[in-house]
Amino acid sequence: QKEVEQNSGPLSVPEGAIASLNCTYSDRGSQSFFWYRQYSGKSPELIMFIYSNGDKEDGRFTAQLNKASQYVSLLIRDSQPSDSATYLCAVTRLPSSGTYKYIFGTGTRLKVLA
Amino acid sequence: SAVISQKPSRDICQRGTSLTIQCQVDSQVTMMFWYRQQPGQSLTLIATANQGSEATYESGFVIDKFPISRPNLTFSTLTVSNMSPEDSSIYLCSVAKSSPVSYEQYFGPGTRLTVT
Repeated sequence: QKEVEQNSGPLSVPEGAIASLNCTYSDRGSQSFFWYRQYSGKSPELIMFIYSNGDKEDGRFTAQLNKASQYVSLLIRDSQPSDSATYLCAVTRLPSSGTYKYIFGTGTRLKVLA
Repeated sequence: SAVISQKPSRDICQRGTSLTIQCQVDSQVTMMFWYRQQPGQSLTLIATANQGSEATYESGFVIDKFPISRPNLTFSTLTVSNMSPEDSSIYLCSVAKSSPVSYEQYFGPGTRLTVT
């Protein structure tokens, strides 16, 4: 089982719809959860992070965390063609070695259709 | 956030040579990381660059192949040694900045390396 799992997609949604991106993780000790957007040929850019159960909203983006189910999601409201990108989920933990680590999923490719 | 620059942005190198990639951040940071990303793939952590001590390498990556320096809290270099075509990839520097509840990681623009 991968430590962080995402459906590779592509996830296709029409313009104006809500895009729902999902991520599961295996380590219950994971502490913080991040969503990154990566356009083709570019480096990942941080969208938002969440660390406590529930929802966190930032503009058109909402991150949802359920630690009991080990599940984190990203909702994008009013999706635009410019949202078409790969979305990477990452979790962090502090292992026994003491080196803070980020574990990335393989990403979900989102296509917003005009 | 953090402003991160990498040099070179891209390079084409011959087999057997070495390339050093530089990463500069606009403020002091505790953690700096080096990643590799193959086309269409996710990020693979190479190592954590530690200031004042040897880098911490992930499984499958060794210091002889990927020596890393971190002379201060704003700068790091990654060298790809004795390159082969399999080293063709995008190399990304990242930094983690502390926030009240976590560390937020930001990425540099990347170095696209092609080995012929």
